[in-house]
Parts: sequence; C-alpha cells; structure tokens
Amino acid sequence: AQSVTQLGSHVSVSEGALVLLRCNYSSSVPPYLFWYVQYPNQGLQLLLKYTSAATLVKGINGFEAEFKKSETSFHLTKPSAHMSDAAEYFCAVWVETGNQFYFGTGTSLTVIP
Amino acid sequence: NAGVTQTPKFQVLKTGQSMTLQCAQDMNHEYMSWYRQDPGMGLRLIHYSVGAGITDQGEVPNGYNVSRSTTEDFPLRLLSAAPSQTSVYFCASMSLGGLNYGYTFGSGTRLTVV
Repeated sequence: AQSVTQLGSHVSVSEGALVLLRCNYSSSVPPYLFWYVQYPNQGLQLLLKYTSAATLVKGINGFEAEFKKSETSFHLTKPSAHMSDAAEYFCAVWVETGNQFYFGTGTSLTVIP
Repeated sequence: NAGVTQTPKFQVLKTGQSMTLQCAQDMNHEYMSWYRQDPGMGLRLIHYSVGAGITDQGEVPNGYNVSRSTTEDFPLRLLSAAPSQTSVYFCASMSLGGLNYGYTFGSGTRLTVV
C-alpha cells in the first residue's frame, strides 16, 4: 500500500524567510510525485511534479522540490516567502500499478509580514 | 479551453434527498475521479474511472454512485444524503501515461446536508 506523510499540518514563516514543507512517501515501486497548492475557496493546482527525470524539480512561483530516494522524501522549498504563498499545500504520489493518487493531509502555510 | 467544470458550486440538501454532482472535462483525459475534502483529513478518493464504461471504488465509496458513459462526463450521485456527506467535493481528470501524469482539478462543489 502507498502512503504520503506531510510533517506539520501548519507552518508559519516570516516574509522573506525560507519555506520548507516536508513530504515523505512509501512506495514499493518508483513513484511519480507531485505538489499541489490550494488557495482559499479554490480547487487544487499543480505546483510541480517528479516523473523520474531530474531529481531537482522546479515549479511555478519559485518553488522547487528534490526527490531523495534513499530518504523517500520529496520536500518542497522556496528561498524567500511571499505573502501570496499563504495557502494549503498537498503532496501526492501516483503509482501506475495502483491507478490511484495518494494525497497527504496537507500543510497550511502562513506567511507573517 | 474550459478544463474541468463542476456544477453546481454550492448546494444545500435535506437529509434523505438525492442529487447528482456534475463533472465534465474537455481535454480528452482517460482518467477521472471524485474526492471529498474535509478539514484535517486531506482529500479522500470516492470513485475513479480509467475510461468510458469503467469505474472503481476509492477509499470512501459508501453512499455514492458513479457512471462513465462518455469520456467527457463523470457524474457523482448521492443516493440518500446524510449530514456526514457535508463536504467539499472535487472532480479531477488526468491523461494516462508517463510525463502526462498530473491532475487537473475542478473548482469544487460545496455541499451542505441539513
């Protein structure tokens, strides 16, 4: 069975500070990994994805994530937080053999002025 | 390009009523799915489909039915609404295969059952 764990349901950072949102997964086969962002009262939109090419993936709005197979992690980072980054962030895993996405429970990011 | 369209955006039902949440996509995606989102629980998969005529259950299928008669449409039916089904429902679609993996989500339906 696959699972996704997001450490920290709430993260607060100061504007301009580093953003680090943690995601660990369990998968018996090579996964495809994703980060999605959800702004208030909106649907989810794709931030970035890892599909077995480069392990460092760059996404929209200055976010990036690094796939580390040895640590089964796919943490999301951004060097300098902006007020507009305040949102809910979801890590997700897709495994071809299962035909299902597995989502983490989400991390709510607050940016303090 | 409309993407994934969900209707209605808001709905209030009385306990025991039935209704259908509509989902349509215009991207010719094979894969479609329904999720419910509840505070602190993330997204939970209700049903999914890998193509027209094929559906399967997800994590929380009880109380919901789906069908997939066309590639474009994937309606979700609530058979007899219960307060526990108060939630935000998202439909998502995806093209199957390699680098195309990645959901496109609808904007959601906020359902309240009283």
